[in-house]
Amino acid sequence: GENVGLHLPTLSVQEGDNSIINCAYSNSASDYFIWYKQESGKGPQFIIDIRSNMDKRQGQRVTVLLNKTVKHLSLQIAATQPGDSAVYFCAENGRGGATNKLIFGTGTLLAVQP
Amino acid sequence: DTAVSQTPKYLVTQMGNDKSIKCEQNLGHDTMYWYKQDSKKFLKIMFSYNNKELIINETVPNRFSPKSPDKAHLNLHINSLELGDSAVYFCASRLRDLYNSPLHFGNGTRLTVT
Repeated sequence: GENVGLHLPTLSVQEGDNSIINCAYSNSASDYFIWYKQESGKGPQFIIDIRSNMDKRQGQRVTVLLNKTVKHLSLQIAATQPGDSAVYFCAENGRGGATNKLIFGTGTLLAVQP
Repeated sequence: DTAVSQTPKYLVTQMGNDKSIKCEQNLGHDTMYWYKQDSKKFLKIMFSYNNKELIINETVPNRFSPKSPDKAHLNLHINSLELGDSAVYFCASRLRDLYNSPLHFGNGTRLTVT
């Protein structure tokens, strides 16, 4: 697929295991964070978000953890499935009034082995 | 029923040509964006429009000219195409007043300049 030879940070897990994808963000003023999943040939899809007044949020099979002290975000996927194979991006949205924009981190390629 | 749709999906053209990419969203959002994704999968914001008004321009060469005929459409016109313009271009949208809301992305236009 188009991700072959990409040299992205890669996380390889066995089907059924839990996955943890990490992200460091840059702006301590950022107050809203999102995880996106991008499958081959598609646009980024929203997975889960979290505001800076929270440190944990759970969705269906996914949990996002936010540590503002060290500016770190993680995405946990429970019971990883082959369909979870994709590139995952974290994004931060800083306070900015008119400049309301999402800044994306470097993606992580999740490869699920059957 | 696609929420954010871009055309064309693939665009192959020669250096020096002028081309356009179209984007439409049917989500009722008032803010639209163009992002560029390079060969390393890095996503970078280019422009943002709110209700047909340009609000973000991230020092993109003026060969790139976005046009928003109405708040549901944001087209991207590129003059004098260069090899370095080869990338995947994503359109996205969201409701500006919902500050903490995710962007919804289209499936991208892969531009190849030869």
